[in-house]
Amino acid sequence: GAVVSQHPSRVICKSGTSVKIECRSLDFQATTMFWYRQFPKQSLMLMATSNEGSKATYEQGVEKDKFLINHASLTLSTLTVTSAHPEDSSFYICSARIYRDFSYNEQFFGPGTRLTVL
Amino acid sequence: AQSVSQHNHHVILSEAASLELGCNYSYGGTVNLFWYVQYPGQHLQLLLKYFSGDPLVKGIKGFEAEFIKSKFSFNLRKPSVQWSDTAEYFCAVNPNAGNMLTFGGGTRLMVKP
Repeated sequence: GAVVSQHPSRVICKSGTSVKIECRSLDFQATTMFWYRQFPKQSLMLMATSNEGSKATYEQGVEKDKFLINHASLTLSTLTVTSAHPEDSSFYICSARIYRDFSYNEQFFGPGTRLTVL
Repeated sequence: AQSVSQHNHHVILSEAASLELGCNYSYGGTVNLFWYVQYPGQHLQLLLKYFSGDPLVKGIKGFEAEFIKSKFSFNLRKPSVQWSDTAEYFCAVNPNAGNMLTFGGGTRLMVKP
């Protein structure tokens, strides 16, 4: 159980285009999903927290107009990279949280999406 | 600033050697602690987690970690590594069971056959 999928797994686009990445929790409902960015040979950096039915919470330094997040249902969050530029090329990873009680809070990660902007 | 530190960036071991990867965090209060592994070309997988109770936690594939509250540490250990353990290992901390999961910088482990 607790499987998270991402689509697409890899995308190459031209500079200036927008790219949408989907994150789905396949066998559970996730009121909260997270979007991370991982640069080569570096750790994961949290970009934003996506809450179902409300606005996402962005981390400091992350442009909300650049990285649009929509969490329209309990199993789907989307990240849209608008007007992508080469510096947006990265590995984007989502996770979904299973929250059982105050003391239990575990995230399950998707396989990631590699974005290359030419 | 609150942070998670992994002191070893690169570790190279021979098969059957013992492994210990350090993880220290700077959060006060209650924390949930995790170790994740990322095999080459694959996504993050949970190795083990600590929420409460016995500070010595056993995970998958023979890994274990010990939570030492006084040292703010959660070191990962394996008595005998295998070539298939070659991967990157991430320590992560979730303070006060809140939303945020903060990752350490990762440790790249290479096991020579």
